[in-house]
Amino acid sequence: AQSVTQPDIHITVSEGASLELRCNYSYGATPYLFWYVQSPGQGLQLLLKYFSGDTLVQGIKGFEAEFKRSQSSFNLRKPSVHWSDAAEYFCAVGARNSGGYQKVTFGTGTKLQVIP
Amino acid sequence: EAGVTQFPSHSVIEKGQTVTLRCDPISGHDNLYWYRRVMGKEIKFLLHFVKESKQDESGMPNNRFLAERTGGTYSTLKVQPAELEDSGVYFCASSQVGRGPYEQYFGPGTRLTVT
Repeated sequence: AQSVTQPDIHITVSEGASLELRCNYSYGATPYLFWYVQSPGQGLQLLLKYFSGDTLVQGIKGFEAEFKRSQSSFNLRKPSVHWSDAAEYFCAVGARNSGGYQKVTFGTGTKLQVIP
Repeated sequence: EAGVTQFPSHSVIEKGQTVTLRCDPISGHDNLYWYRRVMGKEIKFLLHFVKESKQDESGMPNNRFLAERTGGTYSTLKVQPAELEDSGVYFCASSQVGRGPYEQYFGPGTRLTVT
């Protein structure tokens, strides 16, 4: 079974600083990888996804992530953080279940605080 | 196009009572998922419908939880009787027809508090 580790529970960055959120996964085959963001009072919104192809993936709101198979990682990055980026971020891995359907497993989330 | 909606947004019930959560997926989405997040922990998969059929219910905690999807449209998740450990945020998500991989579109969640 697949699993996801987000080692950082909370991260605080200054507005304008760069950001990297870590994500490591465990899965025997090529995974499907996702980053979701949840702002207060909102549902989860997809930032970006990796299914195949180019390992550097561009997403919405200026985010990008790089799939590194050798490190089993899919870290999320943003060059310059805005105050509106304060939210909780979830990494997720998808894999095929026995019925051939996608099953998604989430990490525990990283809460991002942005200070002026 | 309307997104995934969930009702209610909050529910506070006493231990032993029954609660029913509702999810309306995006129109045309055959795949519907239920997840739960207990405070501070990961978002855990509960079950997956393809149309009206349960494709995977391996994440359902116990037989106090009953999920249905009438006619392959909206879905309900009933907890009866509720226990304290059932408190958390219940998310519903939907995705388009087929086996994917696909993005899942999430609703805002229902926050359930059992006292």
